[in-house]
Amino acid sequence: KAGVTQTPRYLIKTRGQQVTLSCSPISGHRSVSWYQQTPGQGLQFLFEYFSETQRNKGNFPGRFSGRQFSNSRSEMNVSTLELGDSALYLCASSPRLAGGTYQETQYFGPGTRLLVL
Amino acid sequence: ILNVEQSPQSLHVQEGDSTNFTCSFPSSNFYALHWYRWETAKSPEALFVMTLNGDEKKKGRISATLNTKEGYSYLYIKGSQPEDSATYLCAFITGGFKTIFGAGTRLFVKA
Repeated sequence: KAGVTQTPRYLIKTRGQQVTLSCSPISGHRSVSWYQQTPGQGLQFLFEYFSETQRNKGNFPGRFSGRQFSNSRSEMNVSTLELGDSALYLCASSPRLAGGTYQETQYFGPGTRLLVL
Repeated sequence: ILNVEQSPQSLHVQEGDSTNFTCSFPSSNFYALHWYRWETAKSPEALFVMTLNGDEKKKGRISATLNTKEGYSYLYIKGSQPEDSATYLCAFITGGFKTIFGAGTRLFVKA
């Protein structure tokens, strides 16, 4: 099975711009979660999508949004970029079988490294 | 504010040494605990998902234990090898399904 893929792998933007990142989960996985990794804050949970619905959200401002398509692919959007948004953005997928437990293994993609100038 | 602490922050060991590190989390509102290994320039790799108090899991030379009553999990590596060098992360899942990561323990294994 192909792993989780993320595009693009690297991105440079300037303050005020907006950016869209894409994540394709492992085939058959219905849940996609997004995380932000920064040197100062470590790995932080952004949100999770399951069957095209946001099921859970971390403590990030409304500039961070996402969506999931019927094929489980997910996109994350950050509007009005700030310098502090420079980070590695990881997505992870898991099967989330009926009942949606959080006790299943998550499989991470390689990440998108975003630099905001 | 829920806090997940990992100790030590970093660890330098010699090849062949056994080592262990700790993940401390709130003892209330526990749902699950995940351990990951994150090697430089790679994606985090799931090691264990632990859900029940007293759980012990093993994968090769790596094992983990869980104590939900006192709020800690230990990760053990027996006979460390240079390829074990990585950051080991724990992620605490609350009853409300919030995910909180620890800052990680950075392990360096010298040949």
